[in-house]
Amino acid sequence: DGGITQSPKYLFRKEGQNVTLSCEQNLNHDAMYWYRQDPGQGLRLIYYSQIVNDFQKGDIAEGYSVSREKKESFPLTVTSAQKNPTAFYLCASSPGLAGVGANVLTFGAGSRLTVL
Amino acid sequence: GQSLEQPSEVTAVEGAIVQINCTYQTSGFYGLSWYQQHDGGAPTFLSYNALDGLEETGRFSSFLSRSDSYGYLLLQELQMKDSASYFCAVRGPSQLTFGSGTQLTVLP
Repeated sequence: DGGITQSPKYLFRKEGQNVTLSCEQNLNHDAMYWYRQDPGQGLRLIYYSQIVNDFQKGDIAEGYSVSREKKESFPLTVTSAQKNPTAFYLCASSPGLAGVGANVLTFGAGSRLTVL
Repeated sequence: GQSLEQPSEVTAVEGAIVQINCTYQTSGFYGLSWYQQHDGGAPTFLSYNALDGLEETGRFSSFLSRSDSYGYLLLQELQMKDSASYFCAVRGPSQLTFGSGTQLTVLP
């Protein structure tokens, strides 16, 4: 079955450490996204990518970095510059950034990051 | 930019009908969609409206009025498993922006 795989599911980090969250999709989707979710809040966009080797900042990109070297993969690095990184991180994909398909996001199961 | 407003909580009883409203502001509009998220889970797509009117998908329907920048999600014949958070999301020129979510509690 096609879908999105995120790993790890749970991650603990000490302050000052960088961590990388993995996101892999086998849906052959062009667009991929990273969202952050805090308790009782909606999803806020961190970064998104429409094609390989290209990505754009979302609303809360500071303290995060991404790469898109392969169509299937869109890893997110939470750097030590992110002041409050404890959150639930969701990776998603869509067929593209235009048309009906752009509104239908498929999400991974999420990665819960806790900073100790 | 884009912003959305939806109620934070709604409570209803099993078998009832509930409506979750969403108002939005956006510099360019390319659609309003709805997602469901159970506690600790991933959001899943429910419905999408690009044009005014009602879209029906089983027990769920979604409505859009572009002139009013307003939409709603209608859930009929509520079941206990419908207890979840529901997010509206508006597609702007380049990205999908989500509301803060409505926590629906279905009581027996």
